Amino acid sequence: NAGVTQTPKFRVLKTGQSMTLLCAQDMNHEYMYWYRQDPGMGLRLIHYSVGEGTTAKGEVPDGYNVSRLKKQNFLLGLESAAPSQTSVYFCASGLWSRTDTQYFGPGTRLTVL
Amino acid sequence: GNSVTQMEGPVTLSEEAFLTINCTYTATGYPSLFWYVQYPGEGLQLLLKATKADDKGSNKGFEATYRKETTSFHLEKGSVQVSDSAVYFCALTFNAGGTSYGKLTFGQGTILTVHP
Repeated sequence: NAGVTQTPKFRVLKTGQSMTLLCAQDMNHEYMYWYRQDPGMGLRLIHYSVGEGTTAKGEVPDGYNVSRLKKQNFLLGLESAAPSQTSVYFCASGLWSRTDTQYFGPGTRLTVL
Repeated sequence: GNSVTQMEGPVTLSEEAFLTINCTYTATGYPSLFWYVQYPGEGLQLLLKATKADDKGSNKGFEATYRKETTSFHLEKGSVQVSDSAVYFCALTFNAGGTSYGKLTFGQGTILTVHP
């Protein structure tokens, strides 16, 4: 039982490049979330999904897109990376019946030059 | 909107010292409250939680009490260890129903360093 996994762990991009971060969970959770963590700002919600085929915007969605084609996977895309997107990205998942508990992945550290 | 405010850090303590990390919140309604811990190089782990007023969450020697009257959820530990060095996040969410979908609102995090 791996829980929540994220790939890659580290990535360096140049401004304007694109990339996709992958999140996978093996706990059959309905809800999945993408957060970004910046110094002194805690974690902020980028996008979330309440089930396969559904996505919704969070607090800071600009510059990101997401897809949830399979229940176990939640992809975060950056179409044209900017230095302001340098951050640590965390994926999390949870059950619809227990919206008060989330399980987090280990994070992806992204640097945009 | 909802918000969580944590005490400014970083916090540096000697082993066996008493720890308090303050957390206050602003929310419409009655949220569930959490403390998450992030050890170096890792993701967040749930440390403890409380889902209604006057509940006390506890785990690994840490405690926090949900105080509705002061809108607070302060984290305490009587005797910290070097292994408690980590970043601690206070957070809130709303229970099932409505459109909260379990979304968490986090405080800014408090870095704790414990020296031998």
